[in-house]
Amino acid sequence: EVKLLESGGGLVQPGGSMRLSCAASGFTFTDFYMYWIRQPAGKAPEWLGFIRNKANGYTTEYNPSVKGRFTISRDNTQNMLYLQMNTLRAEDTATYYCARPGIGDWFAYWGQGTLVTVSS
Amino acid sequence: DIQMTQSPASLSASLGETVTIECLASEDIYSNLAWYQQKPGKSPQLLIYDASSLQDGVPSRFSGSESGTQYSLEINSLQSEDAATYFCQQHHDYPFTFGSGTKLEIK
Repeated sequence: EVKLLESGGGLVQPGGSMRLSCAASGFTFTDFYMYWIRQPAGKAPEWLGFIRNKANGYTTEYNPSVKGRFTISRDNTQNMLYLQMNTLRAEDTATYYCARPGIGDWFAYWGQGTLVTVSS
Repeated sequence: DIQMTQSPASLSASLGETVTIECLASEDIYSNLAWYQQKPGKSPQLLIYDASSLQDGVPSRFSGSESGTQYSLEINSLQSEDAATYFCQQHHDYPFTFGSGTKLEIK
């Protein structure tokens, strides 16, 4: 069974940094691209970016809305996905999800999410 | 960025009825569209991918179709558990983008 479990959310001040983690299990982690998606309360999800699989060199793509502030990485020995977020703003307040795709770029599996609140 | 215009924003329907939710893409996305269902406090769940392919385990009363850049999600024989918010998502080009959502209420 595929499982994704995010952690690391909480309250952070504007301008601060935070690292989110996602523990993956139930599948061969290195075979899959892994995604981060966020969703402000009551709004639509927003795709943040992804990190490719082993076959594609673990390279990354980002939404221009967060490029340069957010960094996606993975630890394939621990089956962990990370999202490093810097220079956080109030508008980054959202629930953050990690997701695994299906055969294509749709999000077949989602974690339960972790809430990040950016506020002074 | 590809814009996904979703309609209606909300709708109310009775048990057993059929409803249709639509997403209009701002350019051709070549059937690269997914539909998700989200219940309060839960993460989105995949219903449909590639515009009309049903995800494993999803009831057959859910179906997807397309006409040009217009994509539709149809839910037949509405059940109480279908009360949720539905989102479309294009997976044709980066950045992948979502529609604004449709909140479905069951009368």
